Amino acid sequence: DTAVSQTPKYLVTQMGNDKSIKCEQNLGHDTMYWYKQDSKKFLKIMFSYNNKELIINETVPNRFSPKSPDKAHLNLHINSLELGDSAVYFCASSPRLGDEQYFGPGTRLTVT
Amino acid sequence: SQKIEQNSEALNIQEGKTATLTCNYTNYSPAYLQWYRQDPGRGPVFLLLIRENEKEKRKERLKVTFDTTLKQSLFHITASQPADSATYLCASSNTGKLIFGQGTTLQVKP
Repeated sequence: DTAVSQTPKYLVTQMGNDKSIKCEQNLGHDTMYWYKQDSKKFLKIMFSYNNKELIINETVPNRFSPKSPDKAHLNLHINSLELGDSAVYFCASSPRLGDEQYFGPGTRLTVT
Repeated sequence: SQKIEQNSEALNIQEGKTATLTCNYTNYSPAYLQWYRQDPGRGPVFLLLIRENEKEKRKERLKVTFDTTLKQSLFHITASQPADSATYLCASSNTGKLIFGQGTTLQVKP
């Protein structure tokens, strides 16, 4: 059974487009996260939700907007995509904030 | 600013030896450290968590230490195997938000 799943796995799009990445966890966790991993492999937190409430909001362009329709889902919408948005985006969840995190397989976004 | 550093150079060791990876932090005192394994094209997988009041934690062939004086955590894999080859990420937190190091790639040669 997949614990944390993301769709799509690959996303190739042109500059200026709007795209969404979806994430679902079936672990019953309260907290979910979005991370960005750049070409140098640094994994950086973008957002975190706890029971559908935004609790971590890093310095991220407001073109990025997370949405949590329920505790098991956390989606990421990106407007007006730029070349620098190309990266691998990981969703993760944890029982509570600060606990060990379970990562999804990642979404490789390529902006051309 | 809070910073966490791992040796960016790859670590190459022979099968059966002990691999030791280092994680150093500066400008803050994390309440705990976490170690993850990441294989190419996959998401990180949680391995161990150690709190600031714990000196050492073990899980099977893995051992992690936390030295608040040296501001350092060491991650050991004993009796290493080629299947242990991966990138290992250290992450720290004192607010619930994890700050990750850039990872150290371990290559275990048969």
